[in-house]
Amino acid sequence: DTEVTQTPKHLVMGMTNKKSLKCEQHMGHRAMYWYKQKAKKPPELMFVYSYEKLSINESVPSRFSPECPNSSLLNLHLHALQPEDSALYLCASSQGYGVGYEQYFGPGTRLTVT
Amino acid sequence: QQQVKQSPQSLIVQKGGIPIINCAYENTAFDYFPWYQQFPGKGPALLIAIRPDVSEKKEGRFTISFNKSAKQFSLHIMDSQPGDSATYFCAAITNAGKSTFGDGTTLTVKP
Repeated sequence: DTEVTQTPKHLVMGMTNKKSLKCEQHMGHRAMYWYKQKAKKPPELMFVYSYEKLSINESVPSRFSPECPNSSLLNLHLHALQPEDSALYLCASSQGYGVGYEQYFGPGTRLTVT
Repeated sequence: QQQVKQSPQSLIVQKGGIPIINCAYENTAFDYFPWYQQFPGKGPALLIAIRPDVSEKKEGRFTISFNKSAKQFSLHIMDSQPGDSATYFCAAITNAGKSTFGDGTTLTVKP
């Protein structure tokens, strides 16, 4: 099983809402990532978890809050988002974190903030 | 500062043609260079990757050429097919594991 699953596929939320994105993998990978991708742009790294510990936070605003409850699950909690946060949110995982570890991406959650 | 410059932004070829996508980088800390393919509505998928001690790597119809002294690398797609129509991203990864992506190239292969 080389699949990373993400739910929901689409999410529309108001600026005062609280919602969560979910990512799951069962490949035994120990590194998991959140990326943000705007239309016709490359993915931008947001967070990296390695062995369930937050390793990288790319200066992401606190309205985005990641959580790694166990080695298979990664959540992204959203609160008080802005319309400019509308984007495709991609989760990825890899066997480890570092050079040479292939990242497997999920299909993404298309987020619209109204 | 754009750390990985990718060109062209878009490319149209006929079926059977050989599209070439180029990337250039400045940071000598980059140590691994993957290419990703992304179809609309999907996440990127790794196509092929190369380390800087290798000048060329081939996997199926996909070939990476790497020029370490010029800090440039390119993707060639042999015998391109309409199913290869997608957005292609080059990336460069530091030895600490930090990824930087190019801006992407939209490839259209006409039947």
